[in-house]
Amino acid sequence: GAGVSQSPRYKVAKRGQDVALRCDPISGHVSLFWYQQALGQGPEFLTYFQNEAQLDKSGLPSDRFFAERPEGSVSTLKIQRTQQEDSAVYLCASSYTGAGNTIYFGEGSWLTVV
Amino acid sequence: QKEVEQNSGPLSVPEGAIASLNCTYSDRGSQSFFWYRQYSGKSPELIMSIYSNGDKEDGRFTAQLNKASQYVSLLIRDSQPSDSATYLCAVEVYSGGGADGLTFGKGTHLIIQP
Repeated sequence: GAGVSQSPRYKVAKRGQDVALRCDPISGHVSLFWYQQALGQGPEFLTYFQNEAQLDKSGLPSDRFFAERPEGSVSTLKIQRTQQEDSAVYLCASSYTGAGNTIYFGEGSWLTVV
Repeated sequence: QKEVEQNSGPLSVPEGAIASLNCTYSDRGSQSFFWYRQYSGKSPELIMSIYSNGDKEDGRFTAQLNKASQYVSLLIRDSQPSDSATYLCAVEVYSGGGADGLTFGKGTHLIIQP
């Protein structure tokens, strides 16, 4: 596709439920990033992939959060046993390479935990 | 700890005037600097990038970088109501493995008054 595609766009989960958020980056983009954006805040870095390698996962808030990119293209962010504080927009972004290149964001997956 | 600081606003500017948005950052290793615009409910959109000290102009937008003062700003000339949005400052630090991803400020909410 022409841009970064994320699904689902909106997700309401009951507390304790597991969720999976999908990101399809721009074709050919090597680097893929996940960010979490709470209401009224800037995006917070979660994790970074270069191809299939997860080079940085220092931003993942707990071991309930897990991300993968097994074939170096589509990525999935999984949140286990969701909590209310997980409610946020989860933004995926990609770039051709990481350093200094333009990072393009998807429209985000809006997660509400009730 | 990488920190990017912005005044959250709202910053209210009359239509046609110059809007000045400011950002400071803590990590002297920061090497790339970006301004993103984010409309409510939408994903961040890159409007300017700057990598070296001085000014960079693109249409009505001018980015200014002063690495000694760890300060980056964005000027918007001839402000239009369509410029009303949240402006996110982001910095990028490189490591041996490439980019560490972007660190964002919380954003400045800009309102252009007709």
